[in-house]
Amino acid sequence: RKEVEQDPGPFNVPEGATVAFNCTYSNSASQSFFWYRQDCRKEPKLLMSVYSSGNEDGRFTAQLNRASQYISLLIRDSKLSDSATYLCVVNPPGGYNKLIFGAGTRLAVHP
Amino acid sequence: DGGITQSPKYLFRKEGQNVTLSCEQNLNHDAMYWYRQDPGQGLRLIYYSQIVNDFQKGDIAEGYSVSREKKESFPLTVTSAQKNPTAFYLCASTTWSSYNEQFFGPGTRLTVL
Repeated sequence: RKEVEQDPGPFNVPEGATVAFNCTYSNSASQSFFWYRQDCRKEPKLLMSVYSSGNEDGRFTAQLNRASQYISLLIRDSKLSDSATYLCVVNPPGGYNKLIFGAGTRLAVHP
Repeated sequence: DGGITQSPKYLFRKEGQNVTLSCEQNLNHDAMYWYRQDPGQGLRLIYYSQIVNDFQKGDIAEGYSVSREKKESFPLTVTSAQKNPTAFYLCASTTWSSYNEQFFGPGTRLTVL
């Protein structure tokens, strides 16, 4: 089983749609969680951290379910500019801040 | 402007040659990391360094070497022993904490001819 698993997609959605991505992780003792966004042939950039209580940033909502070991990202009112690959990232125990990256979920928003 | 720089952006190498990728940061971050990304795959950790003059192997260190002589710099050498070096190489840095996200440079795309 991979340490971090994501549906690779692509998710093809029209502008204005709501889309949700899920991600599962294998190490129950993982300490922190993030969603990164990666545009084609660019570096990953932090979209948001994921807190146990859930957090929201504008159109984006992230949630963590420790019992089921999954993380979700909800995007409301999708824009064309949201088209990218979304990486689920987990910080497992053991120190050194060695992040584990999922392979990413590709989102394509069309007019 | 604080940030991470990588050079060159594109690099072409002949088989059998060693090549060094540059990574510099002025964020005063303690920890630095090198990753490799192949199409359709997640980032894989090559080497990381928590402090100057110290570094550890990641998951795919074979065929690579690094140095950390200065806090700001963490160059990666891709040696001829690396069997399949064509990939997108990303450098990242972070402060010394278990909970902080990593910040990435723009990457170097290496192609072996």
